[in-house]
Amino acid sequence: EPEVTQTPSHQVTQMGQEVILRCVPISNHLYFYWYRQILGQKVEFLVSFYNNEISEKSEIFDDQFSVERPDGSNFTLKIRSTKLEDSAMYFCASSEDSDQPQHFGDGTRLSIL
Amino acid sequence: GESVGLHLPTLSVQEGDNSIINCAYSNSASDYFIWYKQESGKGPQFIIDIRSNMDKRQGQRVTVLLNKTVKHLSLQIAATQPGDSAVYFCAENSGGYNKLIFGAGTRLAVHP
Repeated sequence: EPEVTQTPSHQVTQMGQEVILRCVPISNHLYFYWYRQILGQKVEFLVSFYNNEISEKSEIFDDQFSVERPDGSNFTLKIRSTKLEDSAMYFCASSEDSDQPQHFGDGTRLSIL
Repeated sequence: GESVGLHLPTLSVQEGDNSIINCAYSNSASDYFIWYKQESGKGPQFIIDIRSNMDKRQGQRVTVLLNKTVKHLSLQIAATQPGDSAVYFCAENSGGYNKLIFGAGTRLAVHP
């Protein structure tokens, strides 16, 4: 069964450094998303992306965050200058259409030191 | 505001029993709902979805019920198995480009 894959599984970064989290969505999907889950808390929406542009973003997704689809298969989340509070699991998801189920990867655990 | 360190409610059941997990959603304009299962160290796994023009939908061993009057969603798992042990989240589509709002989650513990 096709799946969303994320790399790396765990990223450790010094505060203030840039980090790029990578995702390969399911190949025929057109809508892409990033969510995060701080330890012990709910899964929170960050951003949705369609047709090479951001469709919607949350308050969390400030100027330090950006997303990109650099080629036909990858979807990346960049955090420019990481803060301690960015430590969380980051999940990528994709869906075939806007009203179809979103399928999630297994996440990247981001630890900011 | 955010709740820090949410203590997840836990539902403990015996293997073979039926499980019912409940969820209250917030937005009366939401028109699409999904149940996800999350095992330790994994991402949310799609179980079943339902649209607001339905009040019941069945899958393999799972049934989702939607009560729009009281903004309530439930997931019923028949003949619960040890492999069903996980955290279960309901999520609502709050409109727009399929932005999902997740609930706090319920931990299901299945005992042999």
